[in-house]
Amino acid sequence: NAGVTQTPKFQVLKTGQSMTLQCAQDMNHNSMYWYRQDPGMGLRLIYYSASEGTTDKGEVPNGYNVSRLNKREFSLRLESAAPSQTSVYFCASSFGTSGGGLFGPGTRLTVL
Amino acid sequence: GENVEQHPSTLSVQEGDSAVIKCTYSDSASNYFPWYKQELGKGPQLIIDIRSNVGEKKDQRIAVTLNKTAKHFSLHITETQPEDSAVYFCAASLSGVNYGGSQGNLIFGKGTKLSVKP
Repeated sequence: NAGVTQTPKFQVLKTGQSMTLQCAQDMNHNSMYWYRQDPGMGLRLIYYSASEGTTDKGEVPNGYNVSRLNKREFSLRLESAAPSQTSVYFCASSFGTSGGGLFGPGTRLTVL
Repeated sequence: GENVEQHPSTLSVQEGDSAVIKCTYSDSASNYFPWYKQELGKGPQLIIDIRSNVGEKKDQRIAVTLNKTAKHFSLHITETQPEDSAVYFCAASLSGVNYGGSQGNLIFGKGTKLSVKP
């Protein structure tokens, strides 16, 4: 099993541009999560999906949208990127809804 | 909402010594407490977790203890090795019930950078 994969690994955007971060898991997990990690702030939940077809806001959802395309895939979209969204983004998946679980390798995003 | 405090922020030990990282949480309803290890440039990796119906859990050189009354939990690493050097995060959440509308909202501490010197 590859576990949790994320694309791209690195991305640089200009303010106002849009992009979608992709995440896929092959663990047959029900729940999937998007976190952002900032220096000194730890990891914070952006959105999660407890099961296929459902999504809910986490701690810091403003400026983001998500889509649970199927059981395997959970994408994160930035419609109009802002410098405050410069961060490392991690996708994770788990069987239950405790949060966390198995993390992907991350996407390092810089917004200029 | 839940708040998790983690101490110390940095910890340096000699190889073979023990390391202890402590966390406190604010919401007495939290019932799931995982610990993650993050190596440079990688995603966090779950190393051990504990639920509120258990006081202690061990897995080889690592152990976690939970004191529900005091609302704190700790990670213990014995016989440390250089490959234990990493950033460790504690976290807390409610498992199985809605929590502020965000089921599964795992609240993380800010991390402890552990350095094990050979």
